[in-house]
Amino acid sequence: QKEVEQDPGPLSVPEGAIVSLNCTYSNSAFQYFMWYRQYSRKGPELLMYTYSSGNKEDGRFTAQVDKSSKYISLFIRDSQPSDSATYLCAMRIYNQGGKLIFGQGTELSVKP
Amino acid sequence: GAVVSQHPSRVICKSGTSVKIECRSLDFQATTMFWYRQFPKQSLMLMATSNEGSKATYEQGVEKDKFLINHASLTLSTLTVTSAHPEDSSFYICSAPRNGGTGELFFGEGSRLTVL
Repeated sequence: QKEVEQDPGPLSVPEGAIVSLNCTYSNSAFQYFMWYRQYSRKGPELLMYTYSSGNKEDGRFTAQVDKSSKYISLFIRDSQPSDSATYLCAMRIYNQGGKLIFGQGTELSVKP
Repeated sequence: GAVVSQHPSRVICKSGTSVKIECRSLDFQATTMFWYRQFPKQSLMLMATSNEGSKATYEQGVEKDKFLINHASLTLSTLTVTSAHPEDSSFYICSAPRNGGTGELFFGEGSRLTVL
């Protein structure tokens, strides 16, 4: 079993839809949770960075962490064609600064 | 704008040659940088941790003699792929935490290596 599971998609939605992306994990020692967006042939871009359970909102993006269920989500409201990319969840243990464990990534396509 | 710069973005080389990739933190100092590798349609895998002033630490299964890492200064780390072979062809991405070991991790643009 992988430490982090993420549905690879592809996921296709119409413009304006609400997108829900999810990851589950098995290691209860994970304390920091991140969502990255990666366009083709580019490095990952940090979207959201969370520590505690609960919700964190930033513009059209909301990150949700449920540590009891070992489940994290990223919601994208009013999705745009420019949101088409691969979305990677990542997480790490407190004292392992760069050792991120990534999900496989979900490929999202937003159709105009 | 970008906070971590990586160069070159693309490189093609012949089998047996060595290739150097540079990673720079642009507006902050990074005593630690990280090198990841990504195969097509797959996720990122940590290869090694680059430590300024000391040896790099490598993840299990990563050949330290093939992937030489040097952290020359507080803003520069280099990855050299030695005696490259076609199976080394991949997307190499560096990253650095902006606020020390527990800070947010920012990634460079990546370097696509193709070994012929």
